[in-house]
Amino acid sequence: EAQVTQNPRYLITVTGKKLTVTCSQNMNHEYMSWYRQDPGLGLRQIYYSMNVEVTDKGDVPEGYKVSRKEKRNFPLILESPSPNQTSLYFCASSLLGPLSPYEQYFGPGTRLTVT
Amino acid sequence: ELKVEQNPLFLSMQEGKNYTIYCNYSTTSDRLYWYRQDPGKSLESLFVLLSNGAVKQEGRLMASLDTKARLSTLHITAAVHDLSATYFCAVDETGGGADGLTFGKGTHLIIQP
Repeated sequence: EAQVTQNPRYLITVTGKKLTVTCSQNMNHEYMSWYRQDPGLGLRQIYYSMNVEVTDKGDVPEGYKVSRKEKRNFPLILESPSPNQTSLYFCASSLLGPLSPYEQYFGPGTRLTVT
Repeated sequence: ELKVEQNPLFLSMQEGKNYTIYCNYSTTSDRLYWYRQDPGKSLESLFVLLSNGAVKQEGRLMASLDTKARLSTLHITAAVHDLSATYFCAVDETGGGADGLTFGKGTHLIIQP
């Protein structure tokens, strides 16, 4: 089954304790992206990757890191989480067209709480 | 900077009624997407609109795109309770490269029996 998976699905942590949220897709998509969803703000892009070893900042990259060492995986790293990073996080992937990504497929989401 | 505005942001309606959700965006767009999100769930792709005048229909939902007006609509016909969800439009800016999608804030739709 074609899908985007994320782990963990739920996470409660404390300020400053490094964490990683994994994302994996089995559709051989070049493009992968991380979004955060906050009430009243919709979804905002954190980072994206056009292919292996190619990553770039989205609209709200502060406090986050990513890596793309393999095509299927795109982990999101919070080196020193803070309470304002409490949010619902989505990973998405898509094929990459000549000008921009195509339709994006979203993972199930990771609900993160930082106390 | 691309801005995407949806309205209404909240809509409560009765079963059997028709209604339209509007999505306005501020710059030229290549593609426009509609997604559905159920509470606690991920986003499910509903429609992909790729050109001016594009119209797509699935069941009681119909989406259209007017690139000249920078407007997309999602029309609900004879609403049923199962369509209760939050609906997002998302826009891919022409020439925006790989920046990804810009989302509207979503329309929270409640359909009452």
